[in-house]
Amino acid sequence: QKEVEQNSGPLSVPEGAIASLNCTYSDRGSQSFFWYRQYSGKSPELIMSIYSNGDKEDGRFTAQLNKASQYVSLLIRDSQPSDSATYLCAVLNTGGFKTIFGAGTRLFVKA
Amino acid sequence: EAQVTQNPRYLITVTGKKLTVTCSQNMNHEYMSWYRQDPGLGLRQIYYSMNVEVTDKGDVPEGYKVSRKEKRNFPLILESPSPNQTSLYFCASRSGGAGETQYFGPGTRLLVL
Repeated sequence: QKEVEQNSGPLSVPEGAIASLNCTYSDRGSQSFFWYRQYSGKSPELIMSIYSNGDKEDGRFTAQLNKASQYVSLLIRDSQPSDSATYLCAVLNTGGFKTIFGAGTRLFVKA
Repeated sequence: EAQVTQNPRYLITVTGKKLTVTCSQNMNHEYMSWYRQDPGLGLRQIYYSMNVEVTDKGDVPEGYKVSRKEKRNFPLILESPSPNQTSLYFCASRSGGAGETQYFGPGTRLLVL
């Protein structure tokens, strides 16, 4: 079992729809969780971090965390073509020193 | 402006020829890391550093060395590069603590012939 798993996609949604990206992790002691966006040929960019169970909203983005189920998700409301990118889920391990990334989910938003 | 810089951005070399990729951050962060990114495998951590003179292996350290003599710099050294080290490399700097952020450098694309 991979430490951080994501559906590789591609996930295709129409403009204006909600895009839902999911991630599961194996380290039960993890306390910090992150979503990065990576455009083709560019470096990852942090868009959301979440540390507590529940929802965290920032503009059109909502991160959801369920530690009991070891599950993290990212919702993108009113998706725009500019949201088309690869989204990386990342988990900081129990010790707080190592960041484990999922392989990423490619999102396409069709105009 | 918060920044992580890497050099060179592109590098073609031959097997066995030692090389160094430099990384520098201007945010006074304690934590720095090196990652490699390969298609289908995502980002994998090579080495990380918690502070000056404190480094540890990540998930794929074989064939790499690092040093952290100053807080702002964290060079990646390939003593004897091999073709399986052809990859896209990212340096990253992390603030740590509550509300932490991690910034990535622009990447170094390495081809080992």
